[in-house]
Amino acid sequence: QKEVEQNSGPLSVPEGAIASLNCTYSDRGSQSFFWYRQYSGKSPELIMFIYSNGDKEDGRFTAQLNKASQYVSLLIRDSQPSDSATYLCAVRMDSSYKLIFGSGTRLLVRP
Amino acid sequence: KAGVTQTPRYLIKTRGQQVTLSCSPISGHRSVSWYQQTPGQGLQFLFEYFSETQRNKGNFPGRFSGRQFSNSRSEMNVSTLELGDSALYLCASRVRAGPDTGELFFGEGSRLTVL
Repeated sequence: QKEVEQNSGPLSVPEGAIASLNCTYSDRGSQSFFWYRQYSGKSPELIMFIYSNGDKEDGRFTAQLNKASQYVSLLIRDSQPSDSATYLCAVRMDSSYKLIFGSGTRLLVRP
Repeated sequence: KAGVTQTPRYLIKTRGQQVTLSCSPISGHRSVSWYQQTPGQGLQFLFEYFSETQRNKGNFPGRFSGRQFSNSRSEMNVSTLELGDSALYLCASRVRAGPDTGELFFGEGSRLTVL
């Protein structure tokens, strides 16, 4: 079992829809959770981080964390074609600050 | 505020050679991490440096090494290059002080091709 799992996609949604990206992790002691966006040929850029159960909203983005289910998700409201990218889920599993990344979900937003 | 700067951006080497990659973190960031990204394995942690000391190391062979200087700049070295070392090498920095939850800020990467 991989430490951080994501569906590779592609997840295809129409412009204006809500895109829902999911991530599960194996270590119950995981402390912090991150969503990065990576455009083709570019480096990952941080979208959001969350470390408490519940929802955290930032503009069109909402991160949701459920530690009991070992599940973290990212919702993108009013999806735009410019949101088309690979979304990487990353988990900090211990005090070392090493991040474990999932393989990423490719999102395609159709105009 | 300047971001994380990596040099060189692209390089081509042949098997058996060695390579050194450089990373300058965001000003004020004292921790530098290195990751390898390949299509098959995704992003994999190589090592992290803080205050010129290696704090964490991933599951890579000893051919992969690094160091950090007093100004927080970091270098990584790969010796005896193999074809499988072809990858995007990403450097990331973070504050590692105060209310630091661990978020990383990545550079543009150094794309290494081994022939």
